[in-house]
Amino acid sequence: DVKVTQSSRYLVKRTGEKVFLECVQDMDHENMFWYRQDPGLGLRLIYFSYDVKMKEKGDIPEGYSVSREKKERFSLILESASTNQTSMYLCASSYPGGNTEAFFGQGTRLTVV
Amino acid sequence: SQQGEEDPQALSIQEGENATMNCSYKTSINNLQWYRQNSGRGLVHLILIRSNEREKHSGRLRVTLDTSKKSSSLLITASRAADTASYFCGMDTGRRALTFGSGTRLQVQP
Repeated sequence: DVKVTQSSRYLVKRTGEKVFLECVQDMDHENMFWYRQDPGLGLRLIYFSYDVKMKEKGDIPEGYSVSREKKERFSLILESASTNQTSMYLCASSYPGGNTEAFFGQGTRLTVV
Repeated sequence: SQQGEEDPQALSIQEGENATMNCSYKTSINNLQWYRQNSGRGLVHLILIRSNEREKHSGRLRVTLDTSKKSSSLLITASRAADTASYFCGMDTGRRALTFGSGTRLQVQP
């Protein structure tokens, strides 16, 4: 079974802190994604990566950066956390090409106080 | 604005009834996928329908796709309390990442 693991289920951070959310997948997928999920807004794409060290901005990249130094790991970084970044963060991975499904991690509920 | 919109936003039915949720989208797609999310968890893939397909079945799930209307529907037949979850459509528009709708919250009363 494909497994996508996010390092924390729940996280509480202070405003201004640098926050790292980690995601690891075990299926050798080329593509990895970070979404945030807010009530009424569904899932919005923050960043994605299609190869090691390669990244592309999604729809809402402001205030975030990412790192992909190894194929299995994709990190989301909040450079200076703000209260409006309180949200559920979902990591996903998939094979490249069309007609492939995405596999999601269990999510990280981040609260910035 | 969002690429996809789902309706209804929330649906409450009795066990044994059918549940239908709809997804509309704005641009052309390669495929459309439906996912399920239990409360506070990640999304789980249910079914994928390609742009050249009109209908697909998987167990109690039936998905239709009308590319001329840019819409899809997910039908869950003979619903169970365990089907209680949020359901999302994800659209593959060719940009590598799926774009998701806002979801439908389904409550199945025992």
